Amino acid sequence: EAQLVESGGGLVQPGGSLRLSCVASGVTFSHYSMNWVRQAPGKGLQWVSYIGSGSSVKLYADSVKGRFTVSRDDAQNSLFLQMNSLRVEDTAVYYCARVNSFWSWGQGTLVTVSS
Amino acid sequence: NFILTQPHSVSGSPGKTVTISCTRSSGSIASNYVQWYQQRPGSSPTTVIYEDKQRPSGVPDRFSGSIDTSSNSASLTISGLTAEDEADYYCQSYDSRNHEFGGGTRLTVL
Repeated sequence: EAQLVESGGGLVQPGGSLRLSCVASGVTFSHYSMNWVRQAPGKGLQWVSYIGSGSSVKLYADSVKGRFTVSRDDAQNSLFLQMNSLRVEDTAVYYCARVNSFWSWGQGTLVTVSS
Repeated sequence: NFILTQPHSVSGSPGKTVTISCTRSSGSIASNYVQWYQQRPGSSPTTVIYEDKQRPSGVPDRFSGSIDTSSNSASLTISGLTAEDEADYYCQSYDSRNHEFGGGTRLTVL
């Protein structure tokens, strides 16, 4: 069964950095484009970033452009999100989602940015 | 960028039918596929409709999707409401540079 497991969340001070990981199992990871989506506490879903298969295309939401970097390691079936210059408003559960005909989602990892 | 607008909440009685709308602010609704996600409290989102009207396997045929170019909107219709349908529902679409989600609609089964 295909599965996505995120990790790397935690508490970080404003201005700090964090690296999220998403490991895929049960699928040939390299075939798929991937997304990061976040959800602030009590709020809706917000798309963060997209990476195409083979890292051919990388896209970012305006709110994270220049601060976040998406990457992937197909040999390790892994997706990453390097988050720098974190702000209080980046506090959210971060989900990775695999793009097939439709999106399949992980369980999320919580990032809290607070002093 | 474009915006997807959904009603904040809808409600319906068990066995009834509800429809949730999703209006695109700019660009044609038909130019890029619309997806719909269900999110129950404390859970990750799951796809209930993709490519405007397709259902993943395992999603009941009580769920259906459509688009209307005249109103530049998409709709999710849920018939035969059950208590397990109570959740937040989000539409989502994209253009060449962004993916966008609607603000979400809370469905309450009365």
